[in-house]
Amino acid sequence: ILNVEQSPQSLHVQEGDSTNFTCSFPSSNFYALHWYRWETAKSPEALFVMTLNGDEKKKGRISATLNTKEGYSYLYIKGSQPEDSATYLCAFIVNSGYSTLTFGKGTMLLVSP
Amino acid sequence: GAGVSQSPRYKVAKRGQDVALRCDPISGHVSLFWYQQALGQGPEFLTYFQNEAQLDKSGLPSDRFFAERPEGSVSTLKIQRTQQEDSAVYLCASGPGQGYEQYFGPGTRLTVT
Repeated sequence: ILNVEQSPQSLHVQEGDSTNFTCSFPSSNFYALHWYRWETAKSPEALFVMTLNGDEKKKGRISATLNTKEGYSYLYIKGSQPEDSATYLCAFIVNSGYSTLTFGKGTMLLVSP
Repeated sequence: GAGVSQSPRYKVAKRGQDVALRCDPISGHVSLFWYQQALGQGPEFLTYFQNEAQLDKSGLPSDRFFAERPEGSVSTLKIQRTQQEDSAVYLCASGPGQGYEQYFGPGTRLTVT
């Protein structure tokens, strides 16, 4: 059974604060790691797909790093804005013929103005 | 372009009723996945289609759950004799191939009373 852990479970920050979340996953049979942002009543939106150890990806104020040897990924948000409020999910893919995602429980972020 | 759509967005069913949840994937997408997200949990894999073939149904929780994709496009997830523990958000995702890209719909929130 694959176990993907995310921390913290929830986070409440003020506008302008920078924040980060952690995703831990099994380091064996690694294929790829996804980060998704899921706003209430909307579709989960893909932020990053990460495949290589040491990968660093950036999209505006959001960035992510990947360490496949120790089995963790960090997501950073610089200068949080209220529109960043959402649940952030990471999902792990094993090296298989098709790509079933195994999700963590998510980190719920609330950014207050 | 049009994304993945799901209907209904919300469904309230009395215990014992049958329900049918619909997923319209992105046109031309080969892969289609169903996931179930119970309250406080991450989404969990239910079943996978490649075109019209259901290649993996290992995540379906019981024989009351049935999924089909008869023409390789629209998919329906049917739950017979619903139980309270079936209350969850049901997410559908489609992808262009067997690779790891998955595009999600907004989900159907099922509440069984």
